[in-house]
Amino acid sequence: AQSVTQLDSQVPVFEEAPVELRCNYSSSVSVYLFWYVQYPNQGLQLLLKYLSGSTLVKGINGFEAEFNKSQTSFHLRKPSVHISDTAEYFCAVSRFYNQGGKLIFGQGTELSVKP
Amino acid sequence: GAGVSQSPSNKVTEKGKDVELRCDPISGHTALYWYRQSLGQGLEFLIYFQGNSAPDKSGLPSDRFSAERTGGSVSTLTIQRTQQEDSAVYLCASSLAGTPNNEQFFGPGTRLTVL
Repeated sequence: AQSVTQLDSQVPVFEEAPVELRCNYSSSVSVYLFWYVQYPNQGLQLLLKYLSGSTLVKGINGFEAEFNKSQTSFHLRKPSVHISDTAEYFCAVSRFYNQGGKLIFGQGTELSVKP
Repeated sequence: GAGVSQSPSNKVTEKGKDVELRCDPISGHTALYWYRQSLGQGLEFLIYFQGNSAPDKSGLPSDRFSAERTGGSVSTLTIQRTQQEDSAVYLCASSLAGTPNNEQFFGPGTRLTVL
């Protein structure tokens, strides 16, 4: 079975500071990795995904994530956050050969950007 | 173009009543997913439809939950004899093809409150 652990439930940060949201996964098979963002009262939106190739993945809104196979991690980073980045962030995996590609989500990290 | 839509946006019901939640996927998307987002359990997969194939029901929490997808498009999630623990936000997502590397597009969700 697969599982996803987001190590921080809440991350407060000041505007223009860098941020890292941590994600570790556990799986006996190869997986694809995703980060989704959920703004208040909205559905989930894909930030970025790792399928194969370069381990550094760039996404929307200036976010990037690095896949580290040996540490089974996929941490999300942004060098300088804005107030508008305040949202909940979810790390997720899907199995390579899983029929349908259902997503297994972490518990979420609430990013709060303060002025 | 239009995204995934869900109705109603909010539903309040009494314990023991049946409810139906509706999802309209993006036109042309063959795969449709239901997830549940609750405080205690986070984001959980419920059920997945792909074309005319038998649905993957492995995430449904009990036999009070069922779903159908008519004509390969609109889907309805039905919860019979609702219980207070069913209170959650029910999210629908669709993807172009039901493969693990495909992006899933999420609707805004239906917030279900069982009194």
